[in-house]
Amino acid sequence: AAGVIQSPRHLIKEKRETATLKCYPIPRHDTVYWYQQGPGQDPQFLISFYEKMQSDKGSIPDRFSAQQFSDYHSELNMSSLELGDSALYFCASSPVGSRGEQFFGPGTRLTVL
Amino acid sequence: AQSVSQHNHHVILSEAASLELGCNYSYGGTVNLFWYVQYPGQHLQLLLKYFSGDPLVKGIKGFEAEFIKSKFSFNLRKPSVQWSDTAEYFCAVNAGAGNNRKLIWGLGTSLAVNP
Repeated sequence: AAGVIQSPRHLIKEKRETATLKCYPIPRHDTVYWYQQGPGQDPQFLISFYEKMQSDKGSIPDRFSAQQFSDYHSELNMSSLELGDSALYFCASSPVGSRGEQFFGPGTRLTVL
Repeated sequence: AQSVSQHNHHVILSEAASLELGCNYSYGGTVNLFWYVQYPGQHLQLLLKYFSGDPLVKGIKGFEAEFIKSKFSFNLRKPSVQWSDTAEYFCAVNAGAGNNRKLIWGLGTSLAVNP
């Protein structure tokens, strides 16, 4: 079965650089979620999109932005990277009619040097 | 505000021991409940879910959970753990209606099973 695809899987950036993470949801899933997970921490909800519109916003820094495109894939744009942004970034998607069940991608491990 | 609390942050067991991880939530309305597991170095995977009906739900790998509405609890159980169950376990609750599918997460329980 198709799963959530994230790219790249690993990314190394310098401080103050920008990064773009991509997420391709499972086909026919209409909602995408972004999470940040620091080492040994629980996933922190950043932002979600339903039918290409932002549906909820969590603890996403102002330096980050995201959008969902017409083909339902989503991109998380991160600017002015800081050391503290080093984390695993997960994308999840939900199908139409879901009651909260989310399907997670493998994550992008971002390291900021 | 809605919240989810997991009582045990770190649990260490020997193989074949029984497991119960506590999860309580704060929300008075209809909820959808989930347990996710994250094996070392891997992404989150759904272990089991409860939407309605039989409050005792069975998931993958021999896990089960019981929804007790009066106690606002959804505890995870396994009669006999294996070394391969070593992982982080997260309880999550969806208390939204309509298209609100946001999950409220617990802080997670780290389970280490000694062979």
